[in-house]
Amino acid sequence: AQSVTQPDIHITVSEGASLELRCNYSYGATPYLFWYVQSPGQGLQLLLKYFSGDTLVQGIKGFEAEFKRSQSSFNLRKPSVHWSDAAEYFCAVVVYNQGGKLIFGQGTELSVKP
Amino acid sequence: DVKVTQSSRYLVKRTGEKVFLECVQDMDHENMFWYRQDPGLGLRLIYFSYDVKMKEKGDIPEGYSVSREKKERFSLILESASTNQTSMYLCASRTANQPQHFGDGTRLSIL
Repeated sequence: AQSVTQPDIHITVSEGASLELRCNYSYGATPYLFWYVQSPGQGLQLLLKYFSGDTLVQGIKGFEAEFKRSQSSFNLRKPSVHWSDAAEYFCAVVVYNQGGKLIFGQGTELSVKP
Repeated sequence: DVKVTQSSRYLVKRTGEKVFLECVQDMDHENMFWYRQDPGLGLRLIYFSYDVKMKEKGDIPEGYSVSREKKERFSLILESASTNQTSMYLCASRTANQPQHFGDGTRLSIL
């Protein structure tokens, strides 16, 4: 069955430090993968997507992610974190034979220290 | 820019009430979705719709129903609200081969 795992429930980084959020997926075919961000009390905003092609994808707010098929991973990175990046981050894979529904990981909450 | 609007940000209801959550999108998207979000469980799909009057059960449909009479509107219905339905509800829409766009969510409390 398809699944997404985010191993880290909560991460704290210092402002200006680099960030990597981990995501592992289980999917039989070529996955279409996403990272979303959710600020407190808000809906989900799309950060970036991987459909095919270049395995390093750029997103908004300075984020990037790398698709590694051999490791079934799609980790999110940012070279220098800002206090405003504190939020919850969700990795997701789309299941196209079920209307394009998304299967989400459990989420990683990011805290940023001054 | 795609806009998905959920009618209420916060809602408080009593057990046994029939509750309606409304969602409207302005981009003529074919597909619409209702998720619930609970701490530690991420988002789980309740129902989705791929066309007017068409609906499919998601992973946790029990206790819910949906209605899609017009393309832009997708309603989630709690037939008889229970306390275990207290949650954050998120609506989303998409068109073919594009990502889902989400509303701001409705935080529903059932007392």
